[in-house]
Amino acid sequence: DTEVTQTPKHLVMGMTNKKSLKCEQHMGHRAMYWYKQKAKKPPELMFVYSYEKLSINESVPSRFSPECPNSSLLNLHLHALQPEDSALYLCASSQEAGTGTYEQYFGPGTRLTVT
Amino acid sequence: AQTVTQSQPEMSVQEAETVTLSCTYDTSENNYYLFWYKQPPSRQMILVIRQEAYKQQNATENRFSVNFQKAAKSFSLKISDSQLGDTAMYFCAFPFGRGSYIPTFGRGTSLIVHP
Repeated sequence: DTEVTQTPKHLVMGMTNKKSLKCEQHMGHRAMYWYKQKAKKPPELMFVYSYEKLSINESVPSRFSPECPNSSLLNLHLHALQPEDSALYLCASSQEAGTGTYEQYFGPGTRLTVT
Repeated sequence: AQTVTQSQPEMSVQEAETVTLSCTYDTSENNYYLFWYKQPPSRQMILVIRQEAYKQQNATENRFSVNFQKAAKSFSLKISDSQLGDTAMYFCAFPFGRGSYIPTFGRGTSLIVHP
């Protein structure tokens, strides 16, 4: 199974809502990533988890809160978002992080719209 | 600073023809990996091809091949016999963007294959 799954596919939320994005992989990968992607732009790294520990936070606002409950799951909790946070949120995994050796496997993304 | 540059924002090609997408990078490292990823419209990003810098032989995957010039720090992707399904954003990725061995993506090239 070389699949990374993400739910939901689409999410519309108001600025006062709290919601969560979910990502799952069963490839035994020990690194998981959250990216934000705007149309026709490259993915922007948000967070990296390595062996279930947060290893990189790219100065992301605190209204985004990541969580890695176990080695297969990655969540992104959203609270008090702004309209400019509307984007495609991608989850990815790789065998390891911090070596530059392994390719990343991406999920299909969650299309988030903040109203 | 370690950077990845894709100088062609958009390209188009006729079906069955060959097209080359360019990517240059800057690094002081000697051993590393380089990646090309493909993101079709509204679909998942997937790895196209990977090149190991210490290998002189250019990587090939079916119709996709790279022209890797280590001294020139150039990593171009050649697509032969282009197909309609090759229409996508193509991102060059280099894992030394911030000294943390996490991939840095180029700005991408939007490729359209015309029938």
